[in-house]
Amino acid sequence: EPEVTQTPSHQVTQMGQEVILRCVPISNHLYFYWYRQILGQKVEFLVSFYNNEISEKSEIFDDQFSVERPDGSNFTLKIRSTKLEDSAMYFCASSEARRTGGAETQYFGPGTRLLVL
Amino acid sequence: GQNIDQPTEMTATEGAIVQINCTYQTSGFNGLFWYQQHAGEAPTFLSYNVLDGLEEKGRFSSFLSRSKGYSYLLLKELQMKDSASYLCAVRDGRNYGQNFVFGPGTRLSVLP
Repeated sequence: EPEVTQTPSHQVTQMGQEVILRCVPISNHLYFYWYRQILGQKVEFLVSFYNNEISEKSEIFDDQFSVERPDGSNFTLKIRSTKLEDSAMYFCASSEARRTGGAETQYFGPGTRLLVL
Repeated sequence: GQNIDQPTEMTATEGAIVQINCTYQTSGFNGLFWYQQHAGEAPTFLSYNVLDGLEEKGRFSSFLSRSKGYSYLLLKELQMKDSASYLCAVRDGRNYGQNFVFGPGTRLSVLP
């Protein structure tokens, strides 16, 4: 069964450094998403991406964050100048959803646990 | 604003039935989803409702009332492996965007 993959599974970085989290969505999916979940807290939407551009973004997704689809398979989240409060599990997800707002669900990757020291 | 409420914790016995409620207030609505999340793992899809009524899928059923901003997830014949957090999420339908708002999750403990 196709699945979303994410690398690395764990990342430790120093405050102020840049990190890139990588995701390979399911191959025939059209929408891609990033979420984060701070330990013990709820899942928070960061951004959705469709047709090589950002479709929606939350208040969390400020200038510190950027996303890119550098090739036909990868989808990346870059966090510039990391802060202690960026420590969280970051989930990538993908869906077949069409812009008509269809019923397709999101399939989540296993997550990258980011720890900022 | 956007707000989704769920009970924080619930406990039930193996073999029993449990109902997990979710209420929401969102600026748009284009579907309500239920996910299961085991500790330290990613959420996995359980069910989807966009029209009022009950959707049944094996041991799991989900109900939606859009006029009341209310949904529930019904789990039957509980098994120990059902111990997990259950997340209610609403897809905000603004601009055909794919913006999901998640509730805080309900941690279900299934006891023998």
